[in-house]
Amino acid sequence: GQQLNQSPQSMFIQEGEDVSMNCTSSSIFNTWLWYKQDPGEGPVLLIALYKAGELTSNGRLTAQFGITRKDSFLNISASIPSDVGIYFCAGRLSGNTGKLIFGQGTTLQVKP
Amino acid sequence: NAGVTQTPKFQVLKTGQSMTLQCAQDMNHNSMYWYRQDPGMGLRLIYYSASEGTTDKGEVPNGYNVSRLNKREFSLRLESAAPSQTSVYFCASRGTGNSPLHFGNGTRLTVT
Repeated sequence: GQQLNQSPQSMFIQEGEDVSMNCTSSSIFNTWLWYKQDPGEGPVLLIALYKAGELTSNGRLTAQFGITRKDSFLNISASIPSDVGIYFCAGRLSGNTGKLIFGQGTTLQVKP
Repeated sequence: NAGVTQTPKFQVLKTGQSMTLQCAQDMNHNSMYWYRQDPGMGLRLIYYSASEGTTDKGEVPNGYNVSRLNKREFSLRLESAAPSQTSVYFCASRGTGNSPLHFGNGTRLTVT
């Protein structure tokens, strides 16, 4: 089946540092979504991207829909302790019924 | 506005027991989904329902059945639980077009 490769798998950074993670695939997507999951809770949508090349920000978060439509990245600037969690990318294939394919997740830990 | 509500939050079953996970959404969404989350595997789609009255298999449907009881409710049933079904189960819903998924807070299931 289709796969999304998300990297890195985990990151341990100092508070104040910037963070970057990305997802790549051999398939073409028409939507990219980035979610964050806090411990014991469900994923919550951070940013949605609907057009190739689109660059969207949400506070300290910035995500881009790759020009090739096969990748996306998420940047977090000036990380803070509450950024801790698991970040998931998800892509919706062109012509699909709306099913999302999820990356394996990036676990972020922030040292105060 | 509760969003997506899942019950129960936790459950322990013995091998061979059956149970039904409940999910309800109050956002008038057409589509509903059941995912399972396992370490290092991301979220994998079990079953989905694109609209009331329809259900379709996802990536990992074996050992599960679903019922779209009405527009609000979508239940997941394990007829004969197996240890391999130990996981965290998430229900999600979404509206029309390219709208993103909204997740519940999950059901943590352990099968011994």
